Amino acid sequence: DQQVKQNSPSLSVQEGRISILNCDYTNSMFDYFLWYKKYPAEGPTFLISISSIKDKNEDGRFTVFLNKSAKHLSLHIVPSQPGDSAVYFCAAMPSGTYKYIFGTGTRLKVLA
Amino acid sequence: DAGVIQSPRHEVTEMGQEVTLRCKPISGHNSLFWYRQTMMRGLELLIYFNNNVPIDDSGMPEDRFSAKMPNASFSTLKIQPSEPRDSAVYFCASSRQGGFGYTFGSGTRLTVV
Repeated sequence: DQQVKQNSPSLSVQEGRISILNCDYTNSMFDYFLWYKKYPAEGPTFLISISSIKDKNEDGRFTVFLNKSAKHLSLHIVPSQPGDSAVYFCAAMPSGTYKYIFGTGTRLKVLA
Repeated sequence: DAGVIQSPRHEVTEMGQEVTLRCKPISGHNSLFWYRQTMMRGLELLIYFNNNVPIDDSGMPEDRFSAKMPNASFSTLKIQPSEPRDSAVYFCASSRQGGFGYTFGSGTRLTVV
């Protein structure tokens, strides 16, 4: 019963192009959504977040979009750089808790 | 700020042995989380503590798993007895209560043979 799903295990994008990572969720009672980036042999690091009352949040090259009616979250990276190659996890926080439920991750490879 | 510190980085043990993973959260953070990463299930929350008290342990897979937080600066996750299917990377993370996002440690890669 995966409440947060990342259906694409991997994605390859050419340097300079846009990377779009997708995430779907099943629970309407999530207050916050986050994206984390993970390099090999390191812990995940926080990238960007969005509150459930918003539909877009932008931070430099990274933009997160939230479509509540579709229960869909996406992360756009533009332009993509080789250093962006990593595993990206989306995560959601259920209302009234401090815990995050993570997806299974998408491995992004940006080709130079 | 040294970040969240986990030890050991790698652990190889034989099936049936006891394994203890350790975590030192960031000073001032009062929430601590243990996650397990596998290919099939991604990052699964095992248990989380708030002010040293376990709040949600519904993710602990079996009675073989136990976690403690005797004080604000130390937590352990113990598996006894260990089984090959416990092989995974175990992450500890901490945050301020009500804070946004966690800080993760570098993880412990556990291999049970």
